[in-house]
Amino acid sequence: DQQVKQNSPSLSVQEGRISILNCDYTNSMFDYFLWYKKYPAEGPTFLISISSIKDKNEDGRFTVFLNKSAKHLSLHIVPSQPGDSAVYFCAASFGSGSRLTFGEGTQLTVNP
Amino acid sequence: GAGVSQTPSNKVTEKGKYVELRCDPISGHTALYWYRQSLGQGPEFLIYFQGTGAADDSGLPNDRFFAVRPEGSVSTLKIQRTERGDSAVYLCASSLDGSVSYNEQFFGPGTRLTVL
Repeated sequence: DQQVKQNSPSLSVQEGRISILNCDYTNSMFDYFLWYKKYPAEGPTFLISISSIKDKNEDGRFTVFLNKSAKHLSLHIVPSQPGDSAVYFCAASFGSGSRLTFGEGTQLTVNP
Repeated sequence: GAGVSQTPSNKVTEKGKYVELRCDPISGHTALYWYRQSLGQGPEFLIYFQGTGAADDSGLPNDRFFAVRPEGSVSTLKIQRTERGDSAVYLCASSLDGSVSYNEQFFGPGTRLTVL
């Protein structure tokens, strides 16, 4: 069963506008959520995270929102830049060991 | 400081052969993870080591897959009697200490395995 889902395989936005990437999860045991960014031929790199006790975390141009009742999180990038073009993965974990459960990924393309 | 490194970067093998994939974690990281990423999918957990021991191997798909970390540093993922369905990118990640709740995982570039 797919416990973390990203329903949009791709997203295209104009430079300077907002990018919103969405993620849904089903396992209520998850207590930590992360976004990773991946360029071709590279491993995923950590972008931003949020604990389940919070509903928002901001780091520069990146903000993650968590809606626990809806089991939904989103990543906002503003303003979007062409260098943000990559595949973005939502991931979740719980407990020690912190194995990550990933979504399928969303390919973001930011057009100049 | 070097990041996580994986060798080889690409491996092509024939169905039925044995392969070994190597991961060098960040120095001092006690936790090491293996994931597998198939085309169009997100990484899927395989196994987690804390030190030398496999703390969670519930993601290994079957007994053809085995991993070791004998000295608590370098890890080798071993696949016996490879099948075409094993073709994927195998990712390794390490973190400072997996025994506490959430430590950031740093990923290597992966090994692309192709089984013909």
